[in-house]
Amino acid sequence: GAGVSQTPSNKVTEKGKYVELRCDPISGHTALYWYRQSLGQGPEFLIYFQGTGAADDSGLPNDRFFAVRPEGSVSTLKIQRTERGDSAVYLCASSFGSGGYNEQFFGPGTRLTVL
Amino acid sequence: AQKITQTQPGMFVQEKEAVTLDCTYDTSDPSYGLFWYKQPSSGEMIFLIYQGSYDQQNATEGRYSLNFQKARKSANLVISASQLGDSAMYFCAMRESNTGNQFYFGTGTSLTVIP
Repeated sequence: GAGVSQTPSNKVTEKGKYVELRCDPISGHTALYWYRQSLGQGPEFLIYFQGTGAADDSGLPNDRFFAVRPEGSVSTLKIQRTERGDSAVYLCASSFGSGGYNEQFFGPGTRLTVL
Repeated sequence: AQKITQTQPGMFVQEKEAVTLDCTYDTSDPSYGLFWYKQPSSGEMIFLIYQGSYDQQNATEGRYSLNFQKARKSANLVISASQLGDSAMYFCAMRESNTGNQFYFGTGTSLTVIP
């Protein structure tokens, strides 16, 4: 079966530009998560969706970051006015349910480089 | 305070030997889950093992076992009979029931298996 997919795998942009990162979760998974992983660090939570709604967006660093999941499946992470400090690997994960044992299945990530 | 602490930035182990990767955690929530993930150089996070805070026995999954010492708040990963393919980054993560569904990750341990 297909795992979590993310596109693009790599994105290079210039400071100040707008970018969109896409995540396609495992079919049937209702929970979707976005994380950011900087070099030499563990993943850092950004936002969690249960269905179509953002159940927890407490990890978004500022209002330049926004994410949507309009139909409860595919999600898009949007970053406005990118800064060099936004350069990182952005990981998406999905799980069948939320809480408890439910492991999160991760995608391969999108490596974002802001020049 | 860090939720998850991994104090070993890098570890080496001889092929076929066992190795222990350390993880300590900090929480006041009585209900939580502990997870270990492997991240090869390809970047994808691979789930290895889970331990619930109320589980009476240490979790085991094949060559992976979790040495759970609740009073000491430690959840060390033991890999037995190391293989060359075990060389990767290993992350310990925690989910608390009272802070939603995000995972808190440690900074990881880089494991190198020597032939």
